[in-house]
Amino acid sequence: EVQLVESGGDLVQPGGSLRLSCAASGFTFSSYAVTWVRQAPGKGLEWVSLISTSAGSTYYADSVKGRFSISRDNSKNTLYLQMNSLRAEDTAVYFCAKGGTVASSSFDIWGQGTMVTVSS
Amino acid sequence: EVVLTQSPATLSLSPGEAATLSCRASQSVSSYLAWYQQKPGQAPRLLIYDASNRATGIPARFSGSGSGTDFTLTISSLEPEDFAVYYCQQRYNWPLTFGQGTRLEIK
Repeated sequence: EVQLVESGGDLVQPGGSLRLSCAASGFTFSSYAVTWVRQAPGKGLEWVSLISTSAGSTYYADSVKGRFSISRDNSKNTLYLQMNSLRAEDTAVYFCAKGGTVASSSFDIWGQGTMVTVSS
Repeated sequence: EVVLTQSPATLSLSPGEAATLSCRASQSVSSYLAWYQQKPGQAPRLLIYDASNRATGIPARFSGSGSGTDFTLTISSLEPEDFAVYYCQQRYNWPLTFGQGTRLEIK
């Protein structure tokens, strides 16, 4: 079964850091771009970041550029999102999703999401 | 940044009726537009990619059309499980962007 499972969400204070993980199974992880998309409570979807197959290219939304860092370990079939200098407006469910073989793609497989709450 | 504007914000229809959802881009995105369905408490599900291609396992009552700046998602005959929020997403330009969503509710 093709599956993505996120973990690492937590309650963190403003200015703090958190690392999210996304474990992939059921497909050749290294062959696909993967992305993070977030959804604030009661709001719509916001694209956050994407990494290409070989990690040669990374892309970020302006709202997180310079604070978040996406990476992947193809040997562990795992995607990461390092989040630093967290703000209240980063509070959201964070989804990872599988893209295509090119960096720019739509997303056909999604994880169930992990909740990040930034609050003092 | 490409801004995607979806209309209407809310659509109230009955099962068996046809639904037409619109997504308008602030600049051309060629055919690089996708549609997703999201139900409460669930992850989004890909319905349509590249404007008119149904994703794996998506019923034939879902269809997509359009190119350039104007796109449409049509559900030919609504089933009870189709009432949800629908989002469009473009992959033509960075940053990738989503529309604000259309809520399809039971009338």
